Amino acid sequence: NAGVTQTPKFRVLKTGQSMTLLCAQDMNHEYMYWYRQDPGMGLRLIHYSVGEGTTAKGEVPDGYNVSRLKKQNFLLGLESAAPSQTSVYFCASSLGAFGNQPQHFGDGTRLSIL
Amino acid sequence: RKEVEQDPGPFNVPEGATVAFNCTYSNSASQSFFWYRQDCRKEPKLLMSVYSSGNEDGRFTAQLNRASQYISLLIRDSKLSDSATYLCVVNPPNFGNEKLTFGTGTRLTIIP
Repeated sequence: NAGVTQTPKFRVLKTGQSMTLLCAQDMNHEYMYWYRQDPGMGLRLIHYSVGEGTTAKGEVPDGYNVSRLKKQNFLLGLESAAPSQTSVYFCASSLGAFGNQPQHFGDGTRLSIL
Repeated sequence: RKEVEQDPGPFNVPEGATVAFNCTYSNSASQSFFWYRQDCRKEPKLLMSVYSSGNEDGRFTAQLNRASQYISLLIRDSKLSDSATYLCVVNPPNFGNEKLTFGTGTRLTIIP
């Protein structure tokens, strides 16, 4: 079982460039999430989706966009990369709302913005 | 006050010892609590949920103290493989049922 797969694993961008991070899950989960993790700050929710075709803002959505065109995929876009977006990005999915269901995480994307 | 606070550690504990750490949360109406484990440069993984009556999973015991607004994790007979960062996770009700708030983690190192 692949679980949650993130691509790419590493990326270096220049300020102002754009890119898309891909998250794919093969567990037929309804809910998907994008987090960023920075030293000393814990994971912070960027955007999430409660089903195909739906997205919602999390705690730190500015500078990011997302799309959930297919149930198994959740894309995170950086419109114009900034050094402050240097971080480790994790995608997660869950069968239902995580009050009842655990979240399964991908192994992360390490992104550096120069 | 942060929504979820943890002692960052590090806790350096000899193999076989018992170790415990707490996590405090600010929203008294929070309903769901979890401990996740994160190995260095890896993704977080669910260790266990925390139930109101407390719960045990092998060498791990989780407890909830609503009066003092903290949860705890106790690890007995610690193994080298327990070395990791332990994340306290809370589902605050004001965000609905879709969001979790993560603590910054407590780093644990088990010493041979």
